[in-house]
Formats: sequence, C-alpha cells, structure tokens
Amino acid sequence: NFMLTQPHSVSESPGKTVTISCTRSSGSIASNYVQWYQQRPGSSPTTVIYEDNQRPSGVPDRFSGSIDSSSNSASLTISGLKTEDEADYYCQSYDSSTYVFGTGTKVTVL
Amino acid sequence: EVQLVESGGGLVKPGGSLRLSCAASGFTFSNAWMSWVRQAPGKGLEWVGRIKSKTDGGTTDYAAPVKGRFTISRDDSKNTLYLQMNSLKTEDTAVYYCTTMVVSGNFDYWGQGTLVTVSS
Repeated sequence: NFMLTQPHSVSESPGKTVTISCTRSSGSIASNYVQWYQQRPGSSPTTVIYEDNQRPSGVPDRFSGSIDSSSNSASLTISGLKTEDEADYYCQSYDSSTYVFGTGTKVTVL
Repeated sequence: EVQLVESGGGLVKPGGSLRLSCAASGFTFSNAWMSWVRQAPGKGLEWVGRIKSKTDGGTTDYAAPVKGRFTISRDDSKNTLYLQMNSLKTEDTAVYYCTTMVVSGNFDYWGQGTLVTVSS
C-alpha cells in the first residue's frame, strides 16, 4: 500500500499564510481524491477540504486545497492565520478500498 | 443534525474481546457507508475498516493490522454500527471513532470517540 507523508509541524504568526504538504509514496496523487481534516485538542476531526479542493459549508475560504502531480503531493493552504486555526491537520486518500491518513501536521499560531 | 454516539469502550486484557457500538441519528443510516477510525494516545489517525450500505452490497474492508481479528457489522433496523474486536493486543489501545463516509472517500461526520485500553 501507500503512505502519505506530512511535515511534523509548521508555525507562523497571525495573519500570515501556511502551506502543509502531503506526499504520496506510490501511485498517483491524482488517481484518488484527497481530503484534509482539522483536529483541535480534545476534539474529533472535522473536514476542512474534501475531493482535493472543495470546502464544506461553514469552512472559511481562508482554507484551500490543491494537488500537484509533478511532486505527487497535495497541499492545504491556510491564509490569514487565526489563533483558532491552531490544531493538528491530516490529509487522507484511498486506493483499492484501503483508506490512508497522512502522518499529521501540528500548526502553531505564534 | 447528524449524531454518532459510540459506546462500549473500556479496559480489557490482551487476548480479550470487546464490542463497540455506534448509535446513529439525523440521517438515513441504511443508505450510509460507515467506518471506524482509531487514534492511539498522542498519535495520528488510523483507518480501521468500512462497511458499505446494503444497497451497495454491504461489504466490509479492513486495515491490515486488524484484518482477521476485527469485524464490522450494522443493524439498519436499530440505526447502529458495531465493531467486534477479538484477540486484542496492547497496540490496539486507542480512541475509536465511528464515522459516516461518502463514496469519494471523505469521512464527513465523526462521533466523539470511545477509549479502548488493552492492558494486563
């Protein structure tokens, strides 16, 4: 099967932009949709991006997703960082009825 | 409003068994694909398994670490999802989340989770 690798942590100041990468180890990143989940401390995960670049209702447009076939990776960009964005973020995709989560990235808002 | 409420977690000895339940409401449960996802203390998310709706065949798939030991089932008359866990190992210690999912692979609603601790 494949793995999804994310940076362990990223940090930035309020109002700035952060981008989290998610690199697929084998198979094409474009072959199956990628989702992104936010998990605040003590809470269950929630979807912030689904189907590569779609935002669920209620998720601010500061969150955006994309995929890059050349690097076989997906990215989550959070612009205009707010303190409430401090959380763990996980990418997720699937292949052959197996679902894989990324290693997770802790976002710290300085 | 979609609600998923897990129950059945607790402390169990290695080699033991436990059955988790997930009571669903606020949506048409019989039409939903459902999954279990777990999270070991301080660790990341790990998919456990999925069951399709009966309309889509009702089939199950499992992650390699639990295949042959865990079984997912559903009772559409009770709007309830189950996870039967046998031959438990210490590495199965985790919070277990019940989730709805869509065909495109998104886990769109999550329960609050139930903690399973496997320890002697």
